[in-house]
Parts: sequence; structure tokens; C-alpha cells
Amino acid sequence: AQSVTQPDIHITVSEGASLELRCNYSYGATPYLFWYVQSPGQGLQLLLKYFSGDTLVQGIKGFEAEFKRSQSSFNLRKPSVHWSDAAEYFCAVGILTGGGNKLTFGTGTQLKVEL
Amino acid sequence: GAVVSQHPSRVICKSGTSVKIECRSLDFQATTMFWYRQFPKQSLMLMATSNEGSKATYEQGVEKDKFLINHASLTLSTLTVTSAHPEDSSFYICSARGAGDGYGYTFGSGTRLTVV
Repeated sequence: AQSVTQPDIHITVSEGASLELRCNYSYGATPYLFWYVQSPGQGLQLLLKYFSGDTLVQGIKGFEAEFKRSQSSFNLRKPSVHWSDAAEYFCAVGILTGGGNKLTFGTGTQLKVEL
Repeated sequence: GAVVSQHPSRVICKSGTSVKIECRSLDFQATTMFWYRQFPKQSLMLMATSNEGSKATYEQGVEKDKFLINHASLTLSTLTVTSAHPEDSSFYICSARGAGDGYGYTFGSGTRLTVV
């Protein structure tokens, strides 16, 4: 069965520092991969997605992610974090089932930004 | 861009009563809608998938008689929590996808349900 692992439950970085959030997936076929951000009490906003092609994907708010098939990873990065980036980040894999396609989410990483 | 409106954002109800949560796609036709449940500090767990005009498909372990899902139009899906109990307290989030959107999911802002 498919699964998504986000090894880091909490991460704290200083404003202006670089950021990398880890995501590993397990899926038998070529995955469709996503990163979402959730502010407290809010829904999810799509940061970026990977379907095929260039393995380095650019997203909104200065985020990027790199798909590494050999490592089954899709880590999210940002060169310089802003205080407004503090939120919960979810990695997800899209799978195709008999009932259509759907998302399986990781457990999330809570990002705290120190000023 | 695509917008999904979810109401109410917060609701408190008494144990034993039923609560309805609405999810509307404002500027596109949502052929498929998804309902998720999120416990504090945890991930989103898919409860069910509904296609317009069809019965919802529930994930294993989700009680379909307790969580009634209706997707009668291309812009509206509702989740009704029947005979709610304190253990049903949670954050519920809907997501919608239009025809041919593949993996173009748009999420609502969620509903915080508290059963007292």
C-alpha cells in the first residue's frame, strides 16, 4: 500500500535561514507528488506538485522541491525563510484507484520560525 | 483561481444531535468531492469520495450511516454527522475537483466540530 513519511514532526529555523522539509514515499508506480501548507484552523493550500518531467519543481512563495526516484524522496526547500512561513506542511502522494485518483497525506511537519 | 467555500467554519452541538457541513465550489463544477477528517496535530484522513449524482465511496472503517454525504449538484456537497458524540469532535475538510482536472484538488477552509 502507498504511504508517505515525513520524518520531522517539528522544525524550528531562524528567519532568513534556509529550510528543507523531508518527505519519503512508498508507491509501486510513478507517483504524483504534492506539497501543501496549512495555517492554523485553515484548509490546505497547494505549494507545488510533481507529475513528470523536470525533477526540480518550482512552487509559490519561493518554495521548490526535488523528486529523487532513487531515494523515493520529494523534499521541500526554501533558500530564505520568512516569519509568515510558519505553518504546518504536508507532503502527499496521488494514487489511482478503482474509484479514481485520491491523495494520501503524510503526518505533517510543523514549522516554527524564530525572529 | 478555483475556490471552495466550506460552512460553517465552527460549530458546537449537543451530543445526539446531527450537524450538516456544506462544501461549495464557487467558480467551477466539482464533479468529485472528497471529505477528510483531521485530528489535532495529525494528518488528514480521507473519509469518503463522492461523484456528483452517485453514492459516496467510503474508506474502510468509516461508518456511512453516521457520516452521510450528499453530492446532488456540481457545486454542492454536504456532510451530515448524525447522532454526534464527543468522539466525533474533529476538524473536517472538504476538497473538490473538476472534470478533467486530474489531480487539481481545491480545499475548503475546514469546519471545527465540537460535540458537547
